[in-house]
Amino acid sequence: SQKIEQNSEALNIQEGKTATLTCNYTNYSPAYLQWYRQDPGRGPVFLLLIRENEKEKRKERLKVTFDTTLKQSLFHITASQPADSATYLCALDISGTYKYIFGTGTRLKVLA
Amino acid sequence: DTAVSQTPKYLVTQMGNDKSIKCEQNLGHDTMYWYKQDSKKFLKIMFSYNNKELIINETVPNRFSPKSPDKAHLNLHINSLELGDSAVYFCASSQVGTAETQYFGPGTRLLVL
Repeated sequence: SQKIEQNSEALNIQEGKTATLTCNYTNYSPAYLQWYRQDPGRGPVFLLLIRENEKEKRKERLKVTFDTTLKQSLFHITASQPADSATYLCALDISGTYKYIFGTGTRLKVLA
Repeated sequence: DTAVSQTPKYLVTQMGNDKSIKCEQNLGHDTMYWYKQDSKKFLKIMFSYNNKELIINETVPNRFSPKSPDKAHLNLHINSLELGDSAVYFCASSQVGTAETQYFGPGTRLLVL
């Protein structure tokens, strides 16, 4: 069956370090993979999109990699700040549809 | 200006009641969605409309009925509410051709007693 897995445990890191979150999937062949940020009591906010033919995408302190062989995406936040504390969700498209399937999210806490 | 808005923000109701949640987007997008996020924070798609046509209809009880009066609005009506319907419901919108990058509303917190 199709499955998307993210670090189920919360991730605590020290301010200034690089946070790395993982998104693993099975039985999908997504053309796109997206990362969203969700703060408590709010809706998810789009951060980055990476296509299947792209290995890496950057936006300011954020970097996403996409390895279709390993069926894995890594999401990096460099020089992390307490304001980066949130839940991060990955989402994969179902080819040929308008549908995205979301992972369960990883809660990141950046300690000052 | 709020891009995707939902009303109400909170909804507390008794089992068996019928309720509606409204969603509006002012982004000019052609596709709108309803998602349910349960207590474990799992976000699951329920419905999607493209240009007022239903294009995604997941395995959802038929007590849930979406309605899109125009491209900017997507409402969700729920009949005979059950305890298990308690969750946060998010509306989202996207534009075809943008890899369906989605813009979410603030959510409606539904509690069925």
